[in-house]
Amino acid sequence: KAGVTQTPRYLIKTRGQQVTLSCSPISGHRSVSWYQQTPGQGLQFLFEYFSETQRNKGNFPGRFSGRQFSNSRSEMNVSTLELGDSALYLCASSRGAKTGDKLLPNEKLFFGSGTQLSVL
Amino acid sequence: DQQVKQNSPSLSVQEGRISILNCDYTNSMFDYFLWYKKYPAEGPTFLISISSIKDKNEDGRFTVFLNKSAKHLSLHIVPSQPGDSAVYFCAASDPFGNEKLTFGTGTRLTIIP
Repeated sequence: KAGVTQTPRYLIKTRGQQVTLSCSPISGHRSVSWYQQTPGQGLQFLFEYFSETQRNKGNFPGRFSGRQFSNSRSEMNVSTLELGDSALYLCASSRGAKTGDKLLPNEKLFFGSGTQLSVL
Repeated sequence: DQQVKQNSPSLSVQEGRISILNCDYTNSMFDYFLWYKKYPAEGPTFLISISSIKDKNEDGRFTVFLNKSAKHLSLHIVPSQPGDSAVYFCAASDPFGNEKLTFGTGTRLTIIP
């Protein structure tokens, strides 16, 4: 079974530009989450999508947005890049459950290798 | 506000000895806790988890202990092996957050041969 695929692996942008990152989840997984990893901050939750709907959102400015397609693939976009946006962006997929349903407590997340974004 | 804290950024342990990684949390709504392991240039991989209704879960060389009253959990690795050298993240979830996990800042474990 193929794992979570993130593209591109590395990206260099300049301040003010925008960027789009892509994530293909494991086949059959319907939930896709995005995390930002920076040194000293750990992994910070950005948002989660399930069946093309954003179900949860972290404390990031509106410059960070995402979407999910009908095939569960997801993209995240960062507009007007700032130096502080330099980070490893990780995507994670899981089987997920409909809101209100309860699967096994917290289906384990499967992470991709991430996209390393450098803003100059 | 860091709801999950790993106060030791790094830890070095001799091969064959026990490694103990600690994690504290502040949100009493958290009901499920997980440990992830991360190698450089790879995404985190799931290691072990524990529900808040338990105080211990064991899987081979890995054991996680949960002390709810102290809002503290720890990961024990016995015996430690060189391949265990990695960054370990503690994570927690609450019943209402769907797939959202709140992560700690990580502890870099180095196993000395």
